Amino acid sequence: AQKVTQAQTEISVVEKEDVTLDCVYETRDTTYYLFWYKQPPSGELVFLIRRNSFDEQNEISGRYSWNFQKSTSSFNFTITASQVVDSAVYFCALSEAGAGANNLFFGTGTRLTVIP
Amino acid sequence: DTGVSQNPRHKITKRGQNVTFRCDPISEHNRLYWYRQTLGQGPEFLTYFQNEAQLEKSRLLSDRFSAERPKGSFSTLEIQRTEQGDSAMYLCASSLLAGGFEQFFGPGTRLTVL
Repeated sequence: AQKVTQAQTEISVVEKEDVTLDCVYETRDTTYYLFWYKQPPSGELVFLIRRNSFDEQNEISGRYSWNFQKSTSSFNFTITASQVVDSAVYFCALSEAGAGANNLFFGTGTRLTVIP
Repeated sequence: DTGVSQNPRHKITKRGQNVTFRCDPISEHNRLYWYRQTLGQGPEFLTYFQNEAQLEKSRLLSDRFSAERPKGSFSTLEIQRTEQGDSAMYLCASSLLAGGFEQFFGPGTRLTVL
């Protein structure tokens, strides 16, 4: 069975601090995809990144970076030099290639508050 | 704007009434998904379409729920005889056909059942 765990319910940081959001997943598929989405107060889910199970390279995009480790089934997300605009709920999600729907299984989210 | 759109954005109804939501996906996307999100939770999968065919339904989709996607374009989600437990944000997403492609979400329809 698939499962995504985001153990951190809420995190508060002061602006310009770095912050890491944790994500641990479970799946029996050997081919799967991992995602991060941002949900700002406006409510619309914004796609941030997709990573497939065969690509363990870390990725950096501006102030965002992602660390994918299959050995620990983790896909963590780091924001460097956080800004107030980063305040949002962040969701980690899993999609299994073997399932026809390829629907997303979401974690419960981490609410990040960046204090100015 | 070429993103996913949903209407209405908010709906307040009385228990027992029927409601219908509409989703217009990104035009070239073959797949369309419906999710439900309750307070403090991540979205949960309800159903999906590949073109006009509804290929999978979650156990969350009771027989009071029905979804259509005529001609593989926009989709509607209808809830009959609404219950207070149906109060949630209903999200629509679309993606290209192949698995693993990112899903792009609409702004959602927030349903409140009084």
